Amino acid sequence: DGGITQSPKYLFRKEGQNVTLSCEQNLNHDAMYWYRQDPGQGLRLIYYSQIVNDFQKGDIAEGYSVSREKKESFPLTVTSAQKNPTAFYLCASSIDRSRGPQHFGDGTRLSIL
Amino acid sequence: GQQLNQSPQSMFIQEGEDVSMNCTSSSIFNTWLWYKQEPGEGPVLLIALYKAGELTSNGRLTAQFGITRKDSFLNISASIPSDVGIYFCAGSGGSNYKLTFGKGTLLTVNP
Repeated sequence: DGGITQSPKYLFRKEGQNVTLSCEQNLNHDAMYWYRQDPGQGLRLIYYSQIVNDFQKGDIAEGYSVSREKKESFPLTVTSAQKNPTAFYLCASSIDRSRGPQHFGDGTRLSIL
Repeated sequence: GQQLNQSPQSMFIQEGEDVSMNCTSSSIFNTWLWYKQEPGEGPVLLIALYKAGELTSNGRLTAQFGITRKDSFLNISASIPSDVGIYFCAGSGGSNYKLTFGKGTLLTVNP
């Protein structure tokens, strides 16, 4: 079955530490996205990528970084510059960006130690 | 920026009842998407709408893209306990495909 795999499911970050969230898809989709979800809120876009080796900032990119070296993979790094990183992080993909996110992973819950 | 209002915030219904929820935008959209999210999981795309006036069904779910292009509705007929979850709308307009999400409608179905 095709889908999106996010890991780990739970992650804890110490002060001053960078952490990387993994996202892998086997759907052969060109577009990939990272969203942040806070309780009682809609999803907010952190970064998106329309194609390999290209990515663009979303609405809340400060304190985050991404890479897109392979079509299947779109890892997100939460840097120490992100002062309020506690949230549920969701990776998504679509055939192309015009259709909007078609598949989501099951998320990574990041907390501060 | 674009603002999107989703209502109601929550609904408590009896099994077998029909459900209706909607989203309205402050600007014109070209795309409306409806998702369902269960606790601890990612959203699942239920219905995608790409044309004003479009009415699309997915089993007991029906969604419509409003003629004004500023609203969309999701209806669930004959609800069952597994319909429980948070339903999100999302819309985009313009050539940049920027998607705005509603804050969700929490649906509880009493057996």
